[in-house]
Amino acid sequence: DVKVTQSSRYLVKRTGEKVFLECVQDMDHENMFWYRQDPGLGLRLIYFSYDVKMKEKGDIPEGYSVSREKKERFSLILESASTNQTSMYLCASTPTGSGEQYFGPGTRLTVT
Amino acid sequence: AQRVTQPEKLLSVFKGAPVELKCNYSYSGSPELFWYVQYSRQRLQLLLRHISRESIKGFTADLNKGETSFHLKKPFAQEEDSAMYYCALSPGNNFNKFYFGSGTKLNVKP
Repeated sequence: DVKVTQSSRYLVKRTGEKVFLECVQDMDHENMFWYRQDPGLGLRLIYFSYDVKMKEKGDIPEGYSVSREKKERFSLILESASTNQTSMYLCASTPTGSGEQYFGPGTRLTVT
Repeated sequence: AQRVTQPEKLLSVFKGAPVELKCNYSYSGSPELFWYVQYSRQRLQLLLRHISRESIKGFTADLNKGETSFHLKKPFAQEEDSAMYYCALSPGNNFNKFYFGSGTKLNVKP
């Protein structure tokens, strides 16, 4: 059974804090993604990675950075959290050549 | 630029009625199109993709390149179809980038 896990289901942070969201997949997938999901806006791609240490910006990378030191782990970093980063964050992975994305359960982040 | 448009935020139908969730896309070239579904308190998951041309849970979707549409259809809606549906596009066959629509919430009433 394929598995994508995210470190927290719910997270509350203060404005200005540095926030780490972790995602781990056990399927040996090359591609990993971070999205934010907001009502009325759907999923918007923040960053994706197609290999270890490789990353590319998505549509809304501002205020975020990522790290992929190992194939199975893709971290999203909010350098200085702001209230407009309050959202549901979804991680996903997919093997190269496959269109099926496997999603994690999501992390609901609230920045106060 | 908006690449995937789902014009309906909410669609309510009665059980047994036909349902069509609209999806239009803008992309030059030959994208791959998908429908993803998120049931209440579950993860987002793939429902179907246009290249497989299959029917999943009674749903079908036809890619119309002339109208740049990929509408999702089911002839007889069931209550368990109530969920959030997202249309998605991947620009190439590497599948290393995806664009999602804003989603349509389908509510099937008894």
